[in-house]
Amino acid sequence: QQQVKQSPQSLIVQKGGISIINCAYENTAFDYFPWYQQFPGKGPALLIAIRPDVSEKKEGRFTISFNKSAKQFSLHIMDSQPGDSATYFCAVRSGGYQKVTFGIGTKLQVIP
Amino acid sequence: NAGVTQTPKFQVLKTGQSMTLQCAQDMNHEYMSWYRQDPGMGLRLIHYSVGAGITDQGEVPNGYNVSRSTTEDFPLRLLSAAPSQTSVYFCASSPISRGREKLFFGSGTQLSVL
Repeated sequence: QQQVKQSPQSLIVQKGGISIINCAYENTAFDYFPWYQQFPGKGPALLIAIRPDVSEKKEGRFTISFNKSAKQFSLHIMDSQPGDSATYFCAVRSGGYQKVTFGIGTKLQVIP
Repeated sequence: NAGVTQTPKFQVLKTGQSMTLQCAQDMNHEYMSWYRQDPGMGLRLIHYSVGAGITDQGEVPNGYNVSRSTTEDFPLRLLSAAPSQTSVYFCASSPISRGREKLFFGSGTQLSVL
C-alpha cells in the first residue's frame, strides 16, 4: 500500500513557467512533509519541507502548499529554469515510527 | 566532514551470491535507512534503524538483512542475490529530533544481479 501518491510522473515546463507537483496521503499521523530533488547519478537532497500546522512555506522560487483537510500537499516552482530539470520526490514521516517513505517521483524537464 | 559514505559504487553479482553493501555516517545521526530506487517505482524503504541495536522493516524487506551495532554503521546484506534485486541502493541518515529531520543521502550503489 502506497503511503503517499505523487503526480504527475513526468512534467515538461517552459522556462519561466510554473511547475506544480502534487502528493496525497491517508495517514493523519504523518507530521513532516519534505520534498527532495535528485539529479542524475546523485542521491536525493532536501529541497524544502513543511509541518501540518502551517498551510504554506516558501523558500526562494520553491513553495509548498499544504491542505490538511484534503490530505494533500504540493510543490510549486516559480520561474522554472533549465537547471531545475531533475526528479522530485515528496515524502512523509510518521513521528511515532520515524521512518520516511517517498512518492514515486516526478521527472521535471524545463525547456528553453 | 564525509557525510554518508556508501561502498561499493558498483557491483555485479551472480544469482545466489551473497554480499554486503556498506554504509557509514560521521554525523552522529540516530536514524539510518536503506532505500532501493527502480524506474517508475520511486524510492522504496527496505529497512531502517533509530539507534544502535534497533532495526525495523520498511516497505520491501524480503531478501535483505540489516544490523546496527554502532551509531555510525548500517550494513545491508543480501543473503542470496536474485535478478529482482538489481537496483540502485541508497543509504540515508538523519537526526530524529524534531526540527532536524533532514535526510542525508549517500551517493548510491549500482547493483546488477545476473
